[in-house]
Order: sequence, then C-alpha cells, then structure tokens
Amino acid sequence: AQSVTQLDSHVSVSEGTPVLLRCNYSSSYSPSLFWYVQHPNKGLQLLLKYTSAATLVKGINGFEAEFKKSETSFHLTKPSAHMSDAAEYFCVVMEYGGATNKLIFGTGTLLAVQP
Amino acid sequence: EAGVAQSPRYKIIEKRQSVAFWCNPISGHATLYWYQQILGQGPKLLIQFQNNGVVDDSQLPKDRFSAERLKGVDSTLKIQPAKLEDSAVYLCASSIGRLYEQYFGPGTRLTVT
Repeated sequence: AQSVTQLDSHVSVSEGTPVLLRCNYSSSYSPSLFWYVQHPNKGLQLLLKYTSAATLVKGINGFEAEFKKSETSFHLTKPSAHMSDAAEYFCVVMEYGGATNKLIFGTGTLLAVQP
Repeated sequence: EAGVAQSPRYKIIEKRQSVAFWCNPISGHATLYWYQQILGQGPKLLIQFQNNGVVDDSQLPKDRFSAERLKGVDSTLKIQPAKLEDSAVYLCASSIGRLYEQYFGPGTRLTVT
C-alpha cells in the first residue's frame, strides 16, 4: 500500500525566509507524488506533481520539490515566503489499482507566515 | 472555466437525521470523486465515478452513505442516518479521466450534533 508521512504538523516562518515542508513516502513501485495547498474555505489546489520525469519539479507560486529515491523523500521548498503562502499543505501519493486510482493524502502541514 | 461547484457550503444537523450534498463537476469531466476530510486529517476517498458508473466505493460506509451520479454529470452524496463521527468537510473533485489532475470544489462542512 502507498502512504506518505508529513513530518511536521505546523511550520512557522518569517516573511522573506525560506520554506521547507517535509514529506516521506512509502511505495512498492515508482510513485506519482503531488503537493496540494488548501487555503481557508477554498478548494484544494495542485501545486506540483512528480511522475518519474525530472527529479526537481517546479510548481506554481515559486514552490518546488525534489524527489529523492534514496531517501524516499519529496520535500517542498520555496526560497522566500510570502504572507499569502499561509495555508495547509498536503503531500499526496497516487495509488494505482487496475481500473481505479486514488490519491492518498498525508495529514497536512499548516504553514504560518509571520510579518 | 467554471470550477467544481458544491452545495450547501455548511450544514448542521442532529444525529440520526439525514443529509444530502450536491456536486456539479467541471463540464466534460468524466471522473468524479467524493472525499471526506475529518478535522486534522487529510482527505480520504469515499467513492469514485467514471461517467455514471461506480469504479471504487471500497471506503464508503454503505450502511449509511450512498451516492449517485445520474446522467454522468451532477452527483449527490447522502448520509442516513448521520452519526457524530460524520462531522467533516465533504469534498467533491473531478477530472477529465482517472489519470488526470483532479480539481476540487470548496467543500461542504457538516456538523452533526
């Protein structure tokens, strides 16, 4: 079974400083991995996805993630945090099952950005 | 393009009552998903439709939850009777096909008292 573990439930950074949200995955095959963001009272939005192409994946709003097979990690980073980045972030792995597929979500990391 | 629409946005009911949620996916999206997101957890897939057929309902509590997608467009999710542990946000998502990006609606926040 596929799974993801988000290592921090809360992360707080100052505006303008780097962001690091950590995610480890468990997969019996080459995984498809995603990061989603959820702002309060809004739907989940896809930030970026890894599907076995380049290991460094660039997403929207300046975010990027690096797939490291040796470490089974897919950490999300951003060089400089903005107030609008405050939200909940989910690391997600896709589980394939013949005719079906499902997204397996982590428990989420709440990012706070201090002025 | 219009996104995934859900209604109502909020609902408060007493335990043992019934409730229904509605989802209108993005036009042309064949695959529709219902997720349950309990406070402090990530969303969990309840049911997946391909057009108007169910392809995965393995995590749907079928003794109280039901869902349908008539004509392969809109979908409704029903809970009858509701329990306290059903308090959650119910998210609807749609995609062009099962391997494509899923687009999520804003969700319906259900509180069962």
